[in-house]
Amino acid sequence: ETGVTQTPRHLVMGMTNKKSLKCEQHLGHNAMYWYKQSAKKPLELMFVYNFKEQTENNSVPSRFSPECPNSSHLFLHLHTLQPEDSALYLCASSQGTRLPYEQYFGPGTRLTVT
Amino acid sequence: KQEVTQIPAALSVPEGENLVLNCSFTDSAIYNLQWFRQDPGKGLTSLLLIQSSQREQTSGRLNASLDKSSGRSTLYIAASQPGDSATYLCAVSPDSGYALNFGKGTSLLVTP
Repeated sequence: ETGVTQTPRHLVMGMTNKKSLKCEQHLGHNAMYWYKQSAKKPLELMFVYNFKEQTENNSVPSRFSPECPNSSHLFLHLHTLQPEDSALYLCASSQGTRLPYEQYFGPGTRLTVT
Repeated sequence: KQEVTQIPAALSVPEGENLVLNCSFTDSAIYNLQWFRQDPGKGLTSLLLIQSSQREQTSGRLNASLDKSSGRSTLYIAASQPGDSATYLCAVSPDSGYALNFGKGTSLLVTP
């Protein structure tokens, strides 16, 4: 398998549930990102990891908890979400965080919070 | 804070037409600018990346230009095809840091 993969592709969860999103990159990259894409809003950066170390947390609520066990895998743990958290969550990777590396995106997980 | 605006928000053209998508940004201190394509239910595909020192990049029927001083970029699509129908996103990288700032996108429909 090549590129950036994300599972699940679709997720429906209640506000009291705990779930996790998974991202895996097969590109040999060292940096991974989580983005949120809400309807009618631009893509928003949530977290950045470089060599498994979190280098940016873009003021994301604590109900979103990222985990990066190695450079190829990135998780987003979800708990006690709100309906306004419903969105497309996109994972991306790049060779490094130092510019000018291009970011490669996965297909996303469509999350619906009921 | 960097603001990225894309105009128009939606565009419908008949097949074969040449078209231009516009992107503007408020802070000219950028390192590069990327154009992406997003198909419904799918992730983003990078189309073109222009370094801040460059004026344009070309790939097939696509040509992207960058005027850093005026904070503008255009994506030119020649001889449009129905397969070009998608949302096109513009994103800029700041001089410092690595966070991409995205516009809301232009939704393009090319009709046969």
